[in-house]
Amino acid sequence: DTAVSQTPKYLVTQMGNDKSIKCEQNLGHDTMYWYKQDSKKFLKIMFSYNNKELIINETVPNRFSPKSPDKAHLNLHINSLELGDSAVYFCASSHSLGYREAGYTFGSGTRLTVV
Amino acid sequence: DQQVKQNSPSLSVQEGRISILNCDYTNSMFDYFLWYKKYPAEGPTFLISISSIKDKNEDGRFTVFLNKSAKHLSLHIVPSQPGDSAVYFCASRATGNQFYFGTGTSLTVIP
Repeated sequence: DTAVSQTPKYLVTQMGNDKSIKCEQNLGHDTMYWYKQDSKKFLKIMFSYNNKELIINETVPNRFSPKSPDKAHLNLHINSLELGDSAVYFCASSHSLGYREAGYTFGSGTRLTVV
Repeated sequence: DQQVKQNSPSLSVQEGRISILNCDYTNSMFDYFLWYKKYPAEGPTFLISISSIKDKNEDGRFTVFLNKSAKHLSLHIVPSQPGDSAVYFCASRATGNQFYFGTGTSLTVIP
């Protein structure tokens, strides 16, 4: 009964391919996020959606496009994958007002390897 | 530009002793701070938080201390247990719902 689930857990693909990572939360949260953890272990926010609307869009190549069909889902689509996209991608969710008590709830991550 | 720094990538402590994990930040506008714990192949999980209006928050074996003048916070775990072995991230917030994370400290508690 996973609170924030993301699929796939591992993804190995060739340069130039297009791939998607899916995320779903069953916590009733209204805000969802994508974070990237690079090789230096630095966790950096990429996108944040509140009630299906984009509220944070950090400096990320436009090859990355988030899509939120409803407030329980936030998918990440990546076009023309590059070697530098290799990282662990974490999905997270929170209440927009209640995050102070528990912060984010994270998924278990998707390890993307571009070869 | 890393606004939250954890300068110790790793720490080893004997079981039963105190573990002290440190975090420094640069943005004086940060008003809320959290610690997360992460096991291998899992996402980070929330551990403890502190508001900038406080200098200490305690939850069982975990205590977070905030020194705003030094822009420094620390997490104390006492007594340390082998199950505490994990990577610990600190995170800080300035506005909205966006947290900035440090690079983590890997804690090993030796039985």
